[in-house]
Amino acid sequence: DAKTTQPNSMESNEEEPVHLPCNHSTISGTDYIHWYRQLPSQGPEYVIHGLTSNVNNRMASLAIAEDRKSSTLILHRATLRDAAVYYCILRNNNDMRFGAGTRLTVKP
Amino acid sequence: EAQVTQNPRYLITVTGKKLTVTCSQNMNHEYMSWYRQDPGLGLRQIYYSMNVEVTDKGDVPEGYKVSRKEKRNFPLILESPSPNQTSLYFCASSLYRGAGGTNEQFFGPGTRLTVL
Repeated sequence: DAKTTQPNSMESNEEEPVHLPCNHSTISGTDYIHWYRQLPSQGPEYVIHGLTSNVNNRMASLAIAEDRKSSTLILHRATLRDAAVYYCILRNNNDMRFGAGTRLTVKP
Repeated sequence: EAQVTQNPRYLITVTGKKLTVTCSQNMNHEYMSWYRQDPGLGLRQIYYSMNVEVTDKGDVPEGYKVSRKEKRNFPLILESPSPNQTSLYFCASSLYRGAGGTNEQFFGPGTRLTVL
């Protein structure tokens, strides 16, 4: 499986945008880029996924570099409830391999 | 409400005493999976199932068994638990779409297991 690299931690102020980066330089043409997050004391939850084009949903936006070797998860206005560990995962089948993720702290 | 449920949520047991953690989903998903989460090691897949009567090993299957007799249920069995199986366990399910990683996985709330 292709590997992803994310910063260990990031901080944000409440109601400001947050850009969470992910590098995946060995991504293959059939790999989808998925983002999940894990709130404290909960199971992971799906955030967004994409293949080549940028994607938007009610939770976040996903910006994918033209060469697909990196992507950025964008939370447009961080809230205290967005404090979580965010995982960037490459998938081309049903299996998922979680890395260490980025721990996002949101300051009031 | 679409969900994955696990029972029990918390369990303290002793070495060698067989236990089963149940997992059930109400979304008619073909694919189900078990993970364990440990500090510093992240989430690791134990076993997965692509449909009824079809199971396969994940990355850390030693000491665990699973069964998939019905589509909605995927129990995790520890025949002889040991302290190194103390962990937080998550069950997950998704539609199975063969090749292609487009499907969303739904996770249960977790089972915290302590083996003394």
